[in-house]
Amino acid sequence: AQKVTQAQTEISVVEKEDVTLDCVYETRDTTYYLFWYKQPPSGELVFLIRRNSFDEQNEISGRYSWNFQKSTSSFNFTITASQVVDSAVYFCALSEIQGAQKLVFGQGTRLTINP
Amino acid sequence: DTAVSQTPKYLVTQMGNDKSIKCEQNLGHDTMYWYKQDSKKFLKIMFSYNNKELIINETVPNRFSPKSPDKAHLNLHINSLELGDSAVYFCASSRRGQEYNEQFFGPGTRLTVL
Repeated sequence: AQKVTQAQTEISVVEKEDVTLDCVYETRDTTYYLFWYKQPPSGELVFLIRRNSFDEQNEISGRYSWNFQKSTSSFNFTITASQVVDSAVYFCALSEIQGAQKLVFGQGTRLTINP
Repeated sequence: DTAVSQTPKYLVTQMGNDKSIKCEQNLGHDTMYWYKQDSKKFLKIMFSYNNKELIINETVPNRFSPKSPDKAHLNLHINSLELGDSAVYFCASSRRGQEYNEQFFGPGTRLTVL
């Protein structure tokens, strides 16, 4: 069975600090997708990134970066120079590539950026 | 031009009532999903349809019945509502295939059962 664990329930930092959100996953599939979604206080789910298990290259998008390490089954998310607008709940998720492709979500990490 | 829309956005009802939530996508996707987000923010798949056929049916009470009249619509009907059904229900859609399968989510429907 697939499982995603986000051990950090809540994180609170001061604006401009860097912050890393941890994600560890379990799957028996040899190929799969990993995702990060953001849920701001307004409630919608915003897609941030998708990573194919074949591709272990780290990715940077502006202040966001993702570190995928297949050897440790981790897909961590770092926000550099955090801003108040980054305050949200962040979800890591896993999906099989074949089959029904349902998303299995972690418990979410509530990130609060204080001014 | 909303990609995935849900109606209503808020739904407040009494225990025991029957209610429906509607979802529509205009992305040309062939697969649609219902997820439930409980009060602790935990998100879990409930159902999925691919080309109007049910492909995922998690351990959900049979009071919940999804219906997909066509590829662009997936409705969720709930009978005999219970307090524990209070949650935010998200509809999502994607294009199922060998590769890219990002799921686009609707804005959610907050259901409150009194």
